[in-house]
Amino acid sequence: NAGVTQTPKFQVLKTGQSMTLQCAQDMNHEYMSWYRQDPGMGLRLIHYSVGAGITDQGEVPNGYNVSRSTTEDFPLRLLSAAPSQTSVYFCASSLDRGVGYTFGSGTRLTVV
Amino acid sequence: GENVEQHPSTLSVQEGDSAVIKCTYSDSASNYFPWYKQELGKRPQLIIDIRSNVGEKKDQRIAVTLNKTAKHFSLHITETQPEDSAVYFCAASWAGGYQKVTFGTGTKLQVIP
Repeated sequence: NAGVTQTPKFQVLKTGQSMTLQCAQDMNHEYMSWYRQDPGMGLRLIHYSVGAGITDQGEVPNGYNVSRSTTEDFPLRLLSAAPSQTSVYFCASSLDRGVGYTFGSGTRLTVV
Repeated sequence: GENVEQHPSTLSVQEGDSAVIKCTYSDSASNYFPWYKQELGKRPQLIIDIRSNVGEKKDQRIAVTLNKTAKHFSLHITETQPEDSAVYFCAASWAGGYQKVTFGTGTKLQVIP
């Protein structure tokens, strides 16, 4: 039981490049979310999903896309990277509503 | 949408003293309030949570209180130890909704030996 697995752990992108942050969980959790963490700003919700095929926008969705084709996987795509997207990205999952998250180990992204 | 404010942003206490972190929320429909601890360079981890039908919950040295009328909740850590040093986040969500969890901005707790 690996929990929530995020890859890569570190990434440097050039402005305008695209990439996909991977997130997978093996706990059969229906609810998955992507957050970005910036100093002094806490964790801000980017996109979330309540099950396979169902996604919705969070607080800061611009510049990011998601899809949820399986229960296990919830990738986050950066369409055209910008320096403002330099951040630490966390994927999180939970079994149900009103239950705490299990977080992945994070991806530290730098856009130059 | 929900807005969660957290205070203080930094807190230093002597080992053995108590620490209190306070949060307020804006959406009266929120009914689930978790707290997370994040050590330096690590992922956030759930340490305690409370639901709106409960006023207080304790787990060893950690307790959380909730005042629904005032829309605020607090984390209390007693007999602090150096390993309690971390960033603590409060959060709020509506458990009847889509698990759209809003976090506070965090409190950096330093326990001085």
